[in-house]
Amino acid sequence: DIQMTQSPSTLSASVGDRVTITCRASQSVKSWLAWNQQKPGKAPKVLIYKASTLESGVPSRFSGSGSGTEFTLTISSLQPDDFATYYCQQYNTYPLTFGQGTRLDIK
Amino acid sequence: EVQLVESGGGLLQPGGSLRLSCEASGFTFSSYEMTWVRQAPGKGLEWVSTITGSGDKSYYADSVKGRFTISRDNSKSSLFLESNSLRADDTAIYYCARRYCSGINCYHFDFWGQGTLVTVSS
Repeated sequence: DIQMTQSPSTLSASVGDRVTITCRASQSVKSWLAWNQQKPGKAPKVLIYKASTLESGVPSRFSGSGSGTEFTLTISSLQPDDFATYYCQQYNTYPLTFGQGTRLDIK
Repeated sequence: EVQLVESGGGLLQPGGSLRLSCEASGFTFSSYEMTWVRQAPGKGLEWVSTITGSGDKSYYADSVKGRFTISRDNSKSSLFLESNSLRADDTAIYYCARRYCSGINCYHFDFWGQGTLVTVSS
């Protein structure tokens, strides 16, 4: 199984900050990686797919990069609506696997 | 408008039965692989099972293999998840999600339902 490891697990930041979350895969997933955002009590919502493609309707302050085993999600200027938990997910191979999540808190 | 609406959750007994449903609308259901993902209270997301658009293949996480069965009825745009051997660690919100496949390539989950809570406890 492909293990997905995110860092950090928790991140405290302020409105306007630039933040980066890292996701590492235990073996190559090529570019078949998505980033999902989840707010308390809500379903996950995709932000980025194929490592760097912005889902329709997602603000351009979100960006993704990487391929193979190393990926990053960057939020260029944090907005109040961005405080949530973020999950990377590989969809290259079954079993499909998620990272453990990164909780982004208000500092 | 795309909609996925899960139902069938509730308080269930250990060793008991489960039948979750996910009713889809607003898209061509048979063109999409459908998946169940669960989230235990306060925990992360765990992929559970996927079924192809035609229903000819299914995949399971090791944690549910042999206990859970995924199925679909394309004539009713419905997805199901069944079990008759529930455990306490199956307690979770269960989400259904869709992903588009074209040929041998399948893509990301682009739409999720709101989930249904399953609590397994005596």
